[in-house]
Amino acid sequence: AQSVTQPDIHITVSEGASLELRCNYSYGATPYLFWYVQSPGQGLQLLLKYFSGDTLVQGIKGFEAEFKRSQSSFNLRKPSVHWSDAAEYFCAVVPLSGGSYIPTFGRGTSLIVHP
Amino acid sequence: EAGVTQFPSHSVIEKGQTVTLRCDPISGHDNLYWYRRVMGKEIKFLLHFVKESKQDESGMPNNRFLAERTGGTYSTLKVQPAELEDSGVYFCASSQTSGSLEQFFGPGTRLTVL
Repeated sequence: AQSVTQPDIHITVSEGASLELRCNYSYGATPYLFWYVQSPGQGLQLLLKYFSGDTLVQGIKGFEAEFKRSQSSFNLRKPSVHWSDAAEYFCAVVPLSGGSYIPTFGRGTSLIVHP
Repeated sequence: EAGVTQFPSHSVIEKGQTVTLRCDPISGHDNLYWYRRVMGKEIKFLLHFVKESKQDESGMPNNRFLAERTGGTYSTLKVQPAELEDSGVYFCASSQTSGSLEQFFGPGTRLTVL
């Protein structure tokens, strides 16, 4: 069965510092890959997605993620964090085949931003 | 355009009581999904509607959970009777087509069973 691992439950950074959130997946073939963000009181918002092609994908709010097939990873990055980035971040995968487009989520990483 | 809405935002009930959660998808979206996140755990799939039909309910934990989508518009998820382990955040999502990889999520309903 496929699984998604987000090893960091909480991450604390200072405003203006760089950020990297880790995501590893376990699946037989390269799936579709997603990062979502949930701000307090809001629904999950799609930050970015990877289907194929360029392994560095750009998303909204200045985020990017890099797909590394050899490491089965899809880490999320941002060069300079803003206080408004404080939220919970979820990595998710969707299988390429099988006809089901139901995502498997990681358990989330809570980002705390210090002023 | 309004997004996915869920009601209530919070619900606190006692074990053995009944609770009904409601989800209004984005207008025109045939696909509606329910998910649940138990505290500190992954967001888990519960079920998927295409219009008013249940396409996949493999994630429903047991027969205390009943989901409906009469008329193919809004959906309700009823828990009867509620147990302590049902506590968590219930998310609803919708998408235009079954093959659409992007789902639009609501803010969730936080259910606490005491």
